[in-house]
Amino acid sequence: NAGVTQTPKFRVLKTGQSMTLLCAQDMNHEYMYWYRQDPGMGLRLIHYSVGEGTTAKGEVPDGYNVSRLKKQNFLLGLESAAPSQTSVYFCASKLDQSYNEQFFGPGTRLTVL
Amino acid sequence: AQSVTQPDIHITVSEGASLELRCNYSYGATPYLFWYVQSPGQGLQLLLKYFSGDTLVQGIKGFEAEFKRSQSSFNLRKPSVHWSDAAEYFCAVGLTGGGNKLTFGTGTQLKVEL
Repeated sequence: NAGVTQTPKFRVLKTGQSMTLLCAQDMNHEYMYWYRQDPGMGLRLIHYSVGEGTTAKGEVPDGYNVSRLKKQNFLLGLESAAPSQTSVYFCASKLDQSYNEQFFGPGTRLTVL
Repeated sequence: AQSVTQPDIHITVSEGASLELRCNYSYGATPYLFWYVQSPGQGLQLLLKYFSGDTLVQGIKGFEAEFKRSQSSFNLRKPSVHWSDAAEYFCAVGLTGGGNKLTFGTGTQLKVEL
């Protein structure tokens, strides 16, 4: 049981390039989330999904897109990367709508030059 | 809108001393509350959570937290800190419905002096 995994762990992009971050969970969780973490700002929610085929915007969605084609995977896309998107990205998953915790992945450190 | 305040950005304690990390929240309904810990270069690990019932909750690694509705607080405590507790600690408030989103505080960085 690997829990929540994220690919890649590190990435450097040039401004304007695109990329996709992959989050996978093997716990059969319904809910999945993408956060970004910046110094002094805690974690901020980018997008989330409450089930396969669904997505919704979080607090800071601009410049990102997501897809949840399979229940176990949640993809975060950057179509045209900007230096302001330099951050550490965390994926999390949660069993369902009841009161339970979110489980976090190890993070992806992204630098946009 | 809900919010979480962690007033202490950095805290330094000596090993063996007691610890209290402060967390205040703003939320219109009954909150459910979490404390997470993040070691350098790692993801977040849940320390403890409060949903309802007993306002003093016990967590992993000897941590506890007390929910005080009158003060809108959920402070984290540990009687005797170990050097391995050095990390960043995040308080979060969870919403009911709407994806059960979490709102995080900005974190408190704990340094432990030997």
